[in-house]
Amino acid sequence: DTAVSQTPKYLVTQMGNDKSIKCEQNLGHDTMYWYKQDSKKFLKIMFSYNNKELIINETVPNRFSPKSPDKAHLNLHINSLELGDSAVYFCASSQDGRWASGDFSTDTQYFGPGTRLTVL
Amino acid sequence: AQTVTQSQPEMSVQEAETVTLSCTYDTSESNYYLFWYKQPPSRQMILVIRQEAYKQQNATENRFSVNFQKAAKSFSLKISDSQLGDTAMYFCAFMKEQGAQKLVFGQGTRLTINP
Repeated sequence: DTAVSQTPKYLVTQMGNDKSIKCEQNLGHDTMYWYKQDSKKFLKIMFSYNNKELIINETVPNRFSPKSPDKAHLNLHINSLELGDSAVYFCASSQDGRWASGDFSTDTQYFGPGTRLTVL
Repeated sequence: AQTVTQSQPEMSVQEAETVTLSCTYDTSESNYYLFWYKQPPSRQMILVIRQEAYKQQNATENRFSVNFQKAAKSFSLKISDSQLGDTAMYFCAFMKEQGAQKLVFGQGTRLTINP
């Protein structure tokens, strides 16, 4: 009954390959995120989607493309993998409250178990 | 841009002792949230405690409590009666109240509880 799940948990692949990581949440949340944790354990936001709409796109190479088929799923596709892409990728989700202005505030983010990607 | 700094890369205490992890942040926002997340060796990111900046009262969750000093932009985590299961990386994180949301993390503190 996992709240935020990711598949696969481990991914080992060769440089130049294309791979995808899937994320699903069953919390009924509106917003989903991808974070990257590097080898020094530093965590940084990559993307965020609210109700299938891209709302955060940090400075990430365009080899990375998020896709949200519905608000419960946010997948991360990576083209032409490079050695530097090796990291742990975390999916997270949160519930938003939308303000009258169209802006919104966000509740606590809950994380998936992470996917360790190793590029050889 | 917001920044979060954890000045203690590693800490180690004996079981049952009290330990305090430091966190400072920099922001021009008035309203925001602060969090402590725990990452045990299992790699899972687990929410420990959350503080809303507009609340003067420090948040507590069982053995975990924070010392939130808004003027000083300081947000430390105190773990009382530490247990072996508290061994983990601890991350302090900042999030704005409004607008496109993202957690800005500190560098983490590796805490080891010794038997």
